[in-house]
Amino acid sequence: EAGVAQSPRYKIIEKRQSVAFWCNPISGHATLYWYQQILGQGPKLLIQFQNNGVVDDSQLPKDRFSAERLKGVDSTLKIQPAKLEDSAVYLCASSSMTGRQETQYFGPGTRLLVL
Amino acid sequence: GESVGLHLPTLSVQEGDNSIINCAYSNSASDYFIWYKQESGKGPQFIIDIRSNMDKRQGQRVTVLLNKTVKHLSLQIAATQPGDSAVYFCAENMGYGQNFVFGPGTRLSVLP
Repeated sequence: EAGVAQSPRYKIIEKRQSVAFWCNPISGHATLYWYQQILGQGPKLLIQFQNNGVVDDSQLPKDRFSAERLKGVDSTLKIQPAKLEDSAVYLCASSSMTGRQETQYFGPGTRLLVL
Repeated sequence: GESVGLHLPTLSVQEGDNSIINCAYSNSASDYFIWYKQESGKGPQFIIDIRSNMDKRQGQRVTVLLNKTVKHLSLQIAATQPGDSAVYFCAENMGYGQNFVFGPGTRLSVLP
């Protein structure tokens, strides 16, 4: 079974530029998550999708971050404009169910450095 | 704020010894816990989970202990190997419809 795929693996941008990350979850997984992991910390949830609908985006900085999952499969996370403090690893995870405490499977992450 | 863990400690153990990694959680409503292993440059990988109606669960070379009285979770790794070197996170879930909250993690270094 293929795992969660993410691209790019690394990205370096200057502040105020925009950037987009892509995620392809495990086939058949209805729930998709985006996490932000700052160096030395645990992952922090940004947004959760159930199919193509948003379940929880309470911790997403909506003035600069946006995410979509139009067809209920792949997802993109965008930052515009980026700030220095956005430097982090952005992890995508998927699970087969939501609300039933199903195990989340993580992708390798995208490492973002904002200069 | 974070309800699981407060800082990123480091644990160094000799190869072949047993490792114990600890995690404190503050929300007594949490009823499901997962331990994840994260190697450098990779995403977190599921190791073992436990529900609040249990106090111990064993896997292959790993055991998770849950003490609800003091809100403490531990991960025991038997016969620690070099490949066990990683950052270990505990994550708690507060029930149906809730998301997981991750702690800051513990770095495990296995010495030859």
